Amino acid sequence: RKEVEQDPGPFNVPEGATVAFNCTYSNSASQSFFWYRQDCRKEPKLLMSVYSSGNEDGRFTAQLNRASQYISLLIRDSKLSDSATYLCVVTRGSNYKLTFGKGTLLTVNP
Amino acid sequence: DAGVTQSPTHLIKTRGQHVTLRCSPISGHKSVSWYQQVLGQGPQFIFQYYEKEERGRGNFPDRFSARQFPNYSSELNVNALLLGDSALYLCASSFWQGAYEQYFGPGTRLTVT
Repeated sequence: RKEVEQDPGPFNVPEGATVAFNCTYSNSASQSFFWYRQDCRKEPKLLMSVYSSGNEDGRFTAQLNRASQYISLLIRDSKLSDSATYLCVVTRGSNYKLTFGKGTLLTVNP
Repeated sequence: DAGVTQSPTHLIKTRGQHVTLRCSPISGHKSVSWYQQVLGQGPQFIFQYYEKEERGRGNFPDRFSARQFPNYSSELNVNALLLGDSALYLCASSFWQGAYEQYFGPGTRLTVT
C-alpha cells in the first residue's frame, strides 16, 4: 500500500464550481500535512498546510481527520487559474522528507 | 531575492553515461533536498543535505550520490544511467534540516536515450 494515496482524477469542472480532493495516508505516525500545487512542467509550490482544526485561505479549505488518516482540500468558486495538479504531502515527526501522493489533475473550463 | 536555481534546465544523455545536476539554494538556506519526479507521479525523495552532511537518503540505488558545498549549493550525480532515470529532478531548499517549508527549484529535465 502506498504511503499517500489520492483521488486518481482527472477532474474537469466548469468555472465557479466547487471541487474536493481527497487523500489518505497509511502511517499513523505522520504529523505534518500539506497541499502543494504543480502547474504543467513546473515545480511544486506549497499551497497550504493542513491542521487538525481545519484551515481556510480564501477559496481554499483544508481538513484533516487523524482518526481516519484522511486529508481533504476544497476549492470553491473555481477559476481558470486553478487548473493544475494538486499534490497531497505528509511528513513524520521532525523528518525532513516530504512524501508526496501521485497528484490529482484539475482542469477548470470556461 | 533569487529563488532556488538549478542547472542545466534540460539534458539528454545516453544509457551508461553519468550526469551531474546542480542546485543553488535560496540565500540563507542551509538544507538542500533532491527529489525525482517521473512523469505522472509525485516527486520521490532522493537525498537531504544539511550543513554539508547527508542527513537522509531515499530508496535509490548507489548509482545516485550527492554532496553539498561550503556555500550550501549541491550536486546530484547519477552514474550508469538507465532509461528509467528519465525524469524531472527537483531541488528543494529550506532554512534548516527540519523545516517543512521547502522551496523547489524549476528542476532539471533529464532524458536518457
